[in-house]
Formats: sequence, structure tokens, C-alpha cells
Amino acid sequence: QSVLTQPPSVSGAPGQRVTISCTGSSSNIGAGYDVHWYQQLPGTAPKLLIYGNNNRPSGVPDRFSGSKSGTSASLAITGLQAEDEADYYCQSYDSSLSGYVFGTGTKVTVL
Amino acid sequence: EVQLAQSGAEVKKPGESLKISCKASGYRFTNYWIGWVRQMPGKGLEWMAIIYPGDSDTRYNPSFQGQVTISADKSITTAYLQWSSLKASDTAMYYCARRPGYYFDLWGQGTLVTVSS
Repeated sequence: QSVLTQPPSVSGAPGQRVTISCTGSSSNIGAGYDVHWYQQLPGTAPKLLIYGNNNRPSGVPDRFSGSKSGTSASLAITGLQAEDEADYYCQSYDSSLSGYVFGTGTKVTVL
Repeated sequence: EVQLAQSGAEVKKPGESLKISCKASGYRFTNYWIGWVRQMPGKGLEWMAIIYPGDSDTRYNPSFQGQVTISADKSITTAYLQWSSLKASDTAMYYCARRPGYYFDLWGQGTLVTVSS
């Protein structure tokens, strides 16, 4: 019952820039709640990539950046690398649910 | 080292009960909420429940309320997720994760639960 919508897939050649959108509503992103992003490599647990809309935890390359505007948010990956091939999820808080919501997930393919 | 270590994979029959665990180490267990997240085969992430080990305050996703029970034992810095009667639809990977803000910064390795007759 994902309430945050992401494109199912995006792709790009090595070195290119790709963006992943995350569309919410007035009860989550539009209500001012922060957006966070996770990377899930095949067969592994999710890993925090971006928190608080545009902050990177220690160890996350600056090729990854986040932004938020209105009821949407975006994750950008610049200088795409083969190791970036993974599933990416956005996440926020929803006041209607009184809980945490994840996006539908986007698979990034490096051509 | 700061980590969450989850219990091993389980294979159960429909109707059986189950309790899986998440052992925290390397940080003050009682200072952070810990949540559980479900990932069904080939699907996305779903938040199920969360607990504050300091006072056992709990919150549930309405979709999972009554279906699972979250608990924690601060004496052994371990959080739990339990089912009283499993269904085939409970087959999934379950992750525990620490919540420092309104996000999850530290994840366990996952526990695969398979429910099949």
C-alpha cells in the first residue's frame, strides 16, 4: 500500500546523470515531512543513502544528491557507475497513516 | 561496531507461531526506536511496526495491527516480531531497522520467513 509513487525503472550509460522522482501527497511530503532515500543492492538489506531531503550519511559519495519541492522529491545520481545498479526507495512520514511510508521503488540499470 | 543482528531463516507451516529477533549492539539500545519492515518476494518495502525500547511505546501500521506483535527486552538489547498464526501470505524477508529521526539509518541483514504446507 505504497503512497509514494516512483518510476519502476530508469537507466543510463556509465558517467551519465539519472534522476528518480518520488511523488507524494498533502499528508506526507506536501505536509512538510522530510524525504529519505535508500539503496538496495541485489540480495542485500536496504542502506540509507540520503536523509532529511538532501543530507548524505558518512561514506555515501557526493554523486548522490536529493531535493524536495511541494509534494515531490528527487534523487539524482551523477557520474553513474556500474556499482550503482540497484533498487532505490524514497521514504517519508504520513500523518493519515501516523506512520512511515515507502515509495514503490525504482530499479536503476547501468547500460 | 554498531549493528543489528537478526535471527536466522525460518520455515513454518500455516497456523504455526513464530518469533524472530533483532539483537542490537554498539549503541544505547534504549535511546532509539526500532522498527520492522516487510519485503515480500520481488516487491517493495512496507513499514510494519515500531517500538521505543526505553519505555516499550509501540506503534503499528494499521495494515499489520492485530496480525503481528512487536516487543523488546532491554536487558538483552533485543527487539522481536511475532506471529500467533502464520499464513502463506506472511512469506517474506523481514528487516529490523533503527530510527534516529523519521528515517532508518541502521538495518539488520534480514530474516527470511517461508510459510508453506
